[in-house]
Amino acid sequence: KAGVTQTPRYLIKTRGQQVTLSCSPISGHRSVSWYQQTPGQGLQFLFEYFSETQRNKGNFPGRFSGRQFSNSRSEMNVSTLELGDSALYLCASSSPWDSSYNEQFFGPGTRLTVL
Amino acid sequence: AQSVTQLGSHVSVSEGALVLLRCNYSSSVPPYLFWYVQYPNQGLQLLLKYTSAATLVKGINGFEAEFKKSETSFHLTKPSAHMSDAAEYFCAVRGTASKLTFGTGTRLQVTL
Repeated sequence: KAGVTQTPRYLIKTRGQQVTLSCSPISGHRSVSWYQQTPGQGLQFLFEYFSETQRNKGNFPGRFSGRQFSNSRSEMNVSTLELGDSALYLCASSSPWDSSYNEQFFGPGTRLTVL
Repeated sequence: AQSVTQLGSHVSVSEGALVLLRCNYSSSVPPYLFWYVQYPNQGLQLLLKYTSAATLVKGINGFEAEFKKSETSFHLTKPSAHMSDAAEYFCAVRGTASKLTFGTGTRLQVTL
């Protein structure tokens, strides 16, 4: 079974631009969560989507948004990029139909650098 | 709100020595607890999880953790460290739906 895939793996943007990151969950998984990882703040939860609906949201400004498609693939968008948005963005998927529902499977991440 | 605290941002052990990484949790309900490992430039890999089935949990790569409610702890151990264990380790607690709250991480260094 293929794992969680994230594209692109690396991205360089300048301040003020916007960016879209993509995540394809494990086949059959319907929940996708996004996390931001920075040296200063560590791993922080951004949001979770389940069956195309945002089910949970972290404490991030409205510049951070996401969506999920009918095939469970998810995108997150960051508008008006700031230097502090430079981070590793991780996507994780899980399945409520799996006995290990509590387990989240992480992708390799997208490294975003804002100049 | 649920949270976890990892004591020690850096731990150094000799190859073959015991590995002990500490994690304490705060939760008003029985927690679901996890340990993840992250190698450089990679995502997170699940080492093990506690979901109330057993207090001693065995994971991959020879790691195990014991849930101690009286001490609100979920420390990660491995009897004998290997060079390939050098990585960053994160303790996490599951909150609402699938949301994970992570500790600040412990970087494990293994020396010869």
